[in-house]
Amino acid sequence: QSALTQPPSASGSVGQSVTISCTGTSSDVGRYKFVSWYQQHPGKAPKLMIYEVTKRPSGVPDRFSGSKSGNTASLTVSGLQAEDEAEYHCSSYTGNDNNLWIFGGGTRLTVL
Amino acid sequence: EVQMEQSGGGLVQPGGSLRLSCGGSGFTFGTYWMDWVRQAPGRGLEWVANISPDGTRKLYVASVKGRFTISRDNAKNSLDLQMYSLRADDTAVYYCAKEHETFDSWGQGTLVTVSP
Repeated sequence: QSALTQPPSASGSVGQSVTISCTGTSSDVGRYKFVSWYQQHPGKAPKLMIYEVTKRPSGVPDRFSGSKSGNTASLTVSGLQAEDEAEYHCSSYTGNDNNLWIFGGGTRLTVL
Repeated sequence: EVQMEQSGGGLVQPGGSLRLSCGGSGFTFGTYWMDWVRQAPGRGLEWVANISPDGTRKLYVASVKGRFTISRDNAKNSLDLQMYSLRADDTAVYYCAKEHETFDSWGQGTLVTVSP
């Protein structure tokens, strides 16, 4: 499998909503429920924001939501706040032992 | 609180070896799959390897198979990645991660630089 496809950048103003897409194939995103989203601030480790397409870990604001349609997953951030400015990565399980998990290239979210 | 503390990393010449370590706390280490994920400078994340809770099953991304070895010591709550025959394209920040149908906790990352 190749990496998942994400837009390199996205932006929105404080208080607005923004949606980031993550496109895979019928062998990964389209096949499995194990799609996740991670937030990464510069120089920091990734932080899990969404797992199993739509679930939020404890402590993640409900402004963050996930969805999936066919081979494309999406992360929506509502009510943008300044601290949401970060890189966002999607991932999917593939079931392929030689590349068990794949990631997107990351999307840089700018809060205007 | 789940924590994972990494050590190791640094500068190594092409063809050299390096060992990364990761210690887990705040969870029952021996009941989870554990993974290594890396991020080359300015690039996205890449899954590298994982190991089953009992250490008997190990999987690797094709590009490191035969060069990297993942291992664990559940008595010490530790995870290792032994890297051999390092190449320039192995240069990255390496993260250990706790796997439970996702990567729900991450170490702080350690930089590996492969350069003459």
